[in-house]
Amino acid sequence: RKEVEQDPGPFNVPEGATVAFNCTYSNSASQSFFWYRQDCRKEPKLLMSVYSSGNEDGRFTAQLNRASQYISLLIRDSKLSDSATYLCVVNAVGFQKLVFGTGTRLLVSP
Amino acid sequence: DVKVTQSSRYLVKRTGEKVFLECVQDMDHENMFWYRQDPGLGLRLIYFSYDVKMKEKGDIPEGYSVSREKKERFSLILESASTNQTSMYLCASTIQESTDTQYFGPGTRLTVL
Repeated sequence: RKEVEQDPGPFNVPEGATVAFNCTYSNSASQSFFWYRQDCRKEPKLLMSVYSSGNEDGRFTAQLNRASQYISLLIRDSKLSDSATYLCVVNAVGFQKLVFGTGTRLLVSP
Repeated sequence: DVKVTQSSRYLVKRTGEKVFLECVQDMDHENMFWYRQDPGLGLRLIYFSYDVKMKEKGDIPEGYSVSREKKERFSLILESASTNQTSMYLCASTIQESTDTQYFGPGTRLTVL
């Protein structure tokens, strides 16, 4: 079983739609959780951290469910510029190591 | 603004050649990382370093070595390149106290013929 699993997609949505991605992780001792965004042929960049209480940044909402070991990302009012691959990232137990999911691809169309 | 640079965006080498990939960061970060990214497999950690002259194996170190002689520079070495090392190589850095924001370089697309 992979340490971090994501649906690869692609998720095809129209502009203005709400879309949600889930990610599951296998190590119950994981303590830090993140979503990174990667544009085509570009490097990954941190989108947001995920906190136990859930957190929101504009149109983006991230939530963590420790009991079920999954994290989610909700994007409201999708924009064309949201088209990218979203990487679920979990810290590995041990020295400052992150484990990346394979990513979920989002395509927002006009 | 953090800047991580990599020596080449595209590189083509032949099987058996020795390959050096260089990464430089300008934010005095302690930790530096080398990943490779392949379709369907995501980012996989090759090696990382938490200080000058220190290195730790990641998940897929076979066929690679690294060098960190200066804090700002972390080199990935392919002693004898093979076709299965054709990939996108990404370098990242982060401050010692944090595991969250890893700042990535633009990547090097290496093709081994």
